Amino acid sequence: SAVISQKPSRDICQRGTSLTIQCQVDSQVTMMFWYRQQPGQSLTLIATANQGSEATYESGFVIDKFPISRPNLTFSTLTVSNLSPEDSSIYLCSVPTPASGTNEQFFGPGTRLTVL
Amino acid sequence: GDSVTQMEGPVTLSEEACLTINCTYTATGYPSLFWYVQYPGEGLQLLLKATKADDKGSNKGFEATYRKETTSFHLEKGSVQVSDSAVYFCALSHTGRRALTFGSGTRLQVQP
Repeated sequence: SAVISQKPSRDICQRGTSLTIQCQVDSQVTMMFWYRQQPGQSLTLIATANQGSEATYESGFVIDKFPISRPNLTFSTLTVSNLSPEDSSIYLCSVPTPASGTNEQFFGPGTRLTVL
Repeated sequence: GDSVTQMEGPVTLSEEACLTINCTYTATGYPSLFWYVQYPGEGLQLLLKATKADDKGSNKGFEATYRKETTSFHLEKGSVQVSDSAVYFCALSHTGRRALTFGSGTRLQVQP
């Protein structure tokens, strides 16, 4: 299994500002995923972050709004820029199970963002 | 593209009642199928999984069978407990892509 931590666990931000979320994994992984869970909704994939290359964004998500860094195999950051109340969500990072052929994933505890 | 459809919630049951949460999917090929659970105030956890047709995943008394012919992966439990109250998500992924596609989630409330 993988142990994943996220910082901050929650934050309240003002409109127009930015928040950077950190995701730390206790083992080296090639792929990391960032998801958004809007209030009362399911999880939606934002992007896939691979070490050493640009993140791959899903339809509806753009790099200017959600820049991602992946400086090494155990760490990634997601920035949510130019915040609006619609960005209020839980943001989660996840990693695939090491050496698993089933694509099982471990999730971080999430970052709860509230935008005023 | 891929999609997962779950029954609407909330589902409210009395303790020891039988549970079925329906899940159907649309996908090319042979995806892996999962049920994840989110307990109140906690993170998302894998409950069970199945990787090929007719596989049965099981954990904590919950079961789900990968039905290729009906593209379904229904979650079942014979006798629910108050501690099973949570939101349950059905999900799928492909070997190459690896990211998960989630259903909308089903909230289960078990009353004593």
